[in-house]
Amino acid sequence: AQSVTQLGSHVSVSEGALVLLRCNYSSSVPPYLFWYVQYPNQGLQLLLKYTSAATLVKGINGFEAEFKKSETSFHLTKPSAHMSDAAEYFCAVSEVDSSYKLIFGSGTRLLVRP
Amino acid sequence: EAGVAQSPRYKIIEKRQSVAFWCNPISGHATLYWYQQILGQGPKLLIQFQNNGVVDDSQLPKDRFSAERLKGVDSTLKIQPAKLEDSAVYLCASSFYSSGNTIYFGEGSWLTVV
Repeated sequence: AQSVTQLGSHVSVSEGALVLLRCNYSSSVPPYLFWYVQYPNQGLQLLLKYTSAATLVKGINGFEAEFKKSETSFHLTKPSAHMSDAAEYFCAVSEVDSSYKLIFGSGTRLLVRP
Repeated sequence: EAGVAQSPRYKIIEKRQSVAFWCNPISGHATLYWYQQILGQGPKLLIQFQNNGVVDDSQLPKDRFSAERLKGVDSTLKIQPAKLEDSAVYLCASSFYSSGNTIYFGEGSWLTVV
């Protein structure tokens, strides 16, 4: 079964600094990969997804992620953090079978310091 | 377009009581998911429907949890009797049934069992 590992349950950056949230997946077959964001007391909102097209995927709010098959990674980045980026971020992998269900990582809480 | 609707948003019950959550997916979405998100963890799939049939319920605690989607549109998730460890956010999500599909989430139903 697929699994997702997010390194760092909390990441703290200064406003304007680079944001890097790490995600590694376990799969022998390139899966579909997703990043979702969750603001307090809200559901999950899709940031971006990789579905075997371009390896560099651009999402909403200035975020992007790069699929690296050799490293089984799908790290999320943003060049300059904004206070409004403070939230919980979840990496997820889609099972490449008939269900297409999402398997989520444990999440990384991003804190942005003024 | 209207998103995934869930109700109630918040519920507090005593252990051994029962509770039901309702979900109405995005119009036209054949696939409906119920996820459980315990505080500090990523969402975990409880059950997946394709129209009114169950695709995956392998992680649904069937001795106390039940779910139905009788007409292939809205769905109800029931817990009876509730345990303290059932305190979580119950997220409903929906999608078209296709590879690389985006799964859209509702805002969640927050359950506290005391």
